[in-house]
Amino acid sequence: DTEVTQTPKHLVMGMTNKKSLKCEQHMGHRAMYWYKQKAKKPPELMFVYSYEKLSINESVPSRFSPECPNSSLLNLHLHALQPEDSALYLCASSQSGTASNQPQHFGDGTRLSIL
Amino acid sequence: AQSVTQLGSHVSVSEGALVLLRCNYSSSVPPYLFWYVQYPNQGLQLLLKYTTGATLVKGINGFEAEFKKSETSFHLTKPSAHMSDAAEYFCAVRGGDSSASKIIFGSGTRLSIRP
Repeated sequence: DTEVTQTPKHLVMGMTNKKSLKCEQHMGHRAMYWYKQKAKKPPELMFVYSYEKLSINESVPSRFSPECPNSSLLNLHLHALQPEDSALYLCASSQSGTASNQPQHFGDGTRLSIL
Repeated sequence: AQSVTQLGSHVSVSEGALVLLRCNYSSSVPPYLFWYVQYPNQGLQLLLKYTTGATLVKGINGFEAEFKKSETSFHLTKPSAHMSDAAEYFCAVRGGDSSASKIIFGSGTRLSIRP
């Protein structure tokens, strides 16, 4: 069982829809991450939150909007997505964003399909 | 800056045979190294990590890896493959510098097990 929970597991949406991906962890971790993973590729970092503040934005288009309401929750708001945004979206957490000896713990992801 | 190279995008072994997945890294600072496994339709699961200390690291599911600084390698091995080991494996590095929040993934190696 994964300790990082992502909902929904699958999402199909049109290009004009607005939807949100949710991620939750109860391990007391203070860093949380969003990744995008295309088929047969490694995960690509999108955003990093450290102590509920956005610390890294990897030049992600504004149609993706992250939010960290508290230390346990991470959302990714989606609006006006393009077909190329179809992918597996992974959330991860680690004890601290700046301590690089700590591994990241991943959720099982949300598989997103854009029609 | 850090980088990771995984040699072989696909490795196929017989059940019961030795598994060897190769990973070489480049880092300007002492690296922290990780191996992750991804089963179909799941997120990434940490197999093992090297931070400091003993260079032979044991992980879950019978896997181990040896950190060899002179060869800048961190190859993953398992003495006897099992059908359940079929998955995608990612080697990853994090550095102890200002980019510590980022984890750099290799391109991945798909492991197939022949009956």
